[in-house]
Formats: sequence, C-alpha cells, structure tokens
Amino acid sequence: DAGVIQSPRHEVTEMGQEVTLRCKPISGHNSLFWYRQTMMRGLELLIYFNNNVPIDDSGMPEDRFSAKMPNASFSTLKIQPSEPRDSAVYFCASSLGQGSGTEAFFGQGTRLTVV
Amino acid sequence: EDQVTQSPEALRLQEGESSSLNCSYTVSGLRGLFWYRQDPGKGPEFLFTLYSAGEEKEKERLKATLTKKESFLHITAPKPEDSATYLCAVRMYSSASKIIFGSGTRLSIRP
Repeated sequence: DAGVIQSPRHEVTEMGQEVTLRCKPISGHNSLFWYRQTMMRGLELLIYFNNNVPIDDSGMPEDRFSAKMPNASFSTLKIQPSEPRDSAVYFCASSLGQGSGTEAFFGQGTRLTVV
Repeated sequence: EDQVTQSPEALRLQEGESSSLNCSYTVSGLRGLFWYRQDPGKGPEFLFTLYSAGEEKEKERLKATLTKKESFLHITAPKPEDSATYLCAVRMYSSASKIIFGSGTRLSIRP
C-alpha cells in the first residue's frame, strides 16, 4: 500500500481565495482524521470521520472550514475564504477504527501559505 | 478535559548519552497511547502503541513504557540519526474515539 496520499504537497494562494486539500486514506481503514500543525499550536485535530461519517468537528476553527468524505477512499478539506492565519501544514491520517489497529498513519502533509 | 503534556520541550544529548522523554496524560478511558517520530518536512511516523499500564515496547534504541498516568520513551545510546521531534498521542474511548497529540519533544543528538 502506498500509505496515505495527500495533494497538493504545497499550496500558495491569495487571501480570499478558496483552497481545497485532498486525501486518499489507506485502503481498508475506516477512520480518517484531518490535523493542522503550526509552531505555536502543534498538531490540532480539526475533524474526524468514521465510516465516512463526520463524528467530531469540534476542532474546525470557523465556518470557513469544511470537510467531506464522499466515499471510503477520498476526503477533502476546504477553506473558503482563506486568510493568512490559515497558513500551516495540514495532515490527513487514517486508521482502523476498531480492535488492535487503532494507531493512525499520516500522509506527508500539505503546506499551505496564504498571502 | 482530556490533555496530553510532553516534557521536556527540547533535549540535546551527546551521541551515546541515554535519556528519557515524558508524556503525561489526563483522559477518561484510555484506548491506546501512541508514540510517533517526526522529521522536518514530513508527516509523523508511527513508532509504538501501548494499551495498558505495565506494557513495554522496544524498537532498536527506543523503548516505550506506560503507567496509569504517563508514558516514557527511553532512548539508549542514541545516534545523530535519532534526532527528530517525538510526539505522544492518546486515543480515548470517550470523545468519539478521537486521537489528540502532545506538543512534542525536539531531540537533538550531537556527534
């Protein structure tokens, strides 16, 4: 398996533009997480899906952020409109939701810069 | 409130100088505690899962242990290639089984 795949790896956009980040989880995993990492705040959980259903979105900072998981092999995180303070590295991770395989495996991240 | 705290924030060691990193947690119903390694510009890389107090896991120069309130990552005779940020995370039975992370320990090993 190729692991969790995120795209794009880097994104530079102007303030006010819409940004869409993409994630393909590991095949067979039924939990998917979106995290944001900054120097100041570390790794923050934004939203968590189980079996394609959003379970906990309490970490989503504002209504400008939205996430979808239309099927088991694809998820998106959208920011509209983007602001400079959204600049960060965004990680997607997936895991088995049950049993012994509860650890999460991460993608390489998308480095977002909003200017 | 569920919380994960790591210490120290940064640690500089000489090659071969053993030490330990700490992860203390306050959660209701621990489902699993995880250790990750993160290199600059990369995603966190999974190292270990611990499920219950008293459990230990080893991998090369790393050994992770777990008590009811904290976990330690022991590094024995480290090498420069062990330099990285080490992250601790917990998954709870409550809170929809989400995974939350500590702020990490930046480890630097001097040759």
